[in-house]
Amino acid sequence: GQQVMQIPQYQHVQEGEDFTTYCNSSTTLSNIQWYKQRPGGHPVFLIQLVKSGEVKKQKRLTFQFGEAKKNSSLHITATQTTDVGTYFCAGDSQAGTALIFGKGTTLSVSS
Amino acid sequence: ETGVTQSPTHLIKTRGQQVTLRCSSQSGHNTVSWYQQALGQGPQFIFQYYREEENGRGNFPPRFSGLQFPNYSSELNVNALELDDSALYLCASSLKLGHPPGEQYFGPGTRLTVT
Repeated sequence: GQQVMQIPQYQHVQEGEDFTTYCNSSTTLSNIQWYKQRPGGHPVFLIQLVKSGEVKKQKRLTFQFGEAKKNSSLHITATQTTDVGTYFCAGDSQAGTALIFGKGTTLSVSS
Repeated sequence: ETGVTQSPTHLIKTRGQQVTLRCSSQSGHNTVSWYQQALGQGPQFIFQYYREEENGRGNFPPRFSGLQFPNYSSELNVNALELDDSALYLCASSLKLGHPPGEQYFGPGTRLTVT
């Protein structure tokens, strides 16, 4: 079945360093969504990308959708301790109504 | 805060028992999806409800069933609980039905432990 894979699984950075997580789908996606889950919390929607090659920015966060619509990345510039959490990408299933989540990348930041 | 509420917050059940989890969606959202999130994993889609009808189902056995009520609130029922059912159960409401799926507004979840 359809799979969404994320790397790395864990990443530890010093505050101020950059961070990138990568997402790859086994099939072409209609759109990709990114969520952040703080420790002990629930996933919170960050952004949705729809167009091939799309790039969106939210302050220090930059999201990209690949040209083939099978991969995506999230880049955080100059991490802060508030960036701590697990970042999930989620793509649509072939059936259309379900979101398939990756296993996430857990980011820890030390000051 | 998303406005999606879930109850109970935590629950401990014994293998073989049945459980009902509840969710109230964000005001105006008529689509509700349920996800299972095992420790260290991403949320896994169980099923979606729209206007009281099941509108898509993930790879879960029939002992996972659901309901949606006229006010768009929803229940997840799990029969014959197994140890592997221990997980965080997340309810998410959405404004958008169909393909591709829209932004999901997640509730805080119910932590189910099966012993």
